[in-house]
Amino acid sequence: ETGVTQTPRHLVMGMTNKKSLKCEQHLGHNAMYWYKQSAKKPLELMFVYNFKEQTENNSVPSRFSPECPNSSHLFLHLHTLQPEDSALYLCASSAYFGQETQYFGPGTRLLVL
Amino acid sequence: GQQLNQSPQSMFIQEGEDVSMNCTSSSIFNTWLWYKQDPGEGPVLLIALYKAGELTSNGRLTAQFGITRKDSFLNISASIPSDVGIYFCAGQLSGSARQLTFGSGTQLTVLP
Repeated sequence: ETGVTQTPRHLVMGMTNKKSLKCEQHLGHNAMYWYKQSAKKPLELMFVYNFKEQTENNSVPSRFSPECPNSSHLFLHLHTLQPEDSALYLCASSAYFGQETQYFGPGTRLLVL
Repeated sequence: GQQLNQSPQSMFIQEGEDVSMNCTSSSIFNTWLWYKQDPGEGPVLLIALYKAGELTSNGRLTAQFGITRKDSFLNISASIPSDVGIYFCAGQLSGSARQLTFGSGTQLTVLP
């Protein structure tokens, strides 16, 4: 595996479900990011981790809970989501926090019913 | 926070035509980036610009960092079908606030 991988690629969940998104980077990077992408809107940065420590939380609702057990893995735990949370969730990594060159995974397409 | 205005929102062009899109901001950025997103994939970095006035090419793509540091342009020459996708600009400040600010994208369709 190379680059940034994300699983699952597609997810349908009810508002009472609990699910997790997984991201893994094989680039030896130290910073990882979660973005939300909605149609015709700019990418919204949700969370940033630098050397496993959370450095940014852009006012994201608590129903989204990130976890970064090591520099290569990033999770986004989902609980009691709303239909408006349906979007493409992108993971990205960079060599260090603040480096402009971010490498993105293919995303998880989430549908909340 | 910063906002980027990216235009046009969408474009339909004939294969072989040249394409131009741009981003403007009310804020000054120190770095401008252009990404392309293919259907079903994440964005891929095309060009990074680091100095006002800089003009950088990547194959048929050419991007410029505006002199005012508040805008950037991307040109694609002699478009081909695989140019289809969404093109995003992104700007970055220096210092502690180093998040990327993204534009809302330009959807490009190339007609045969």
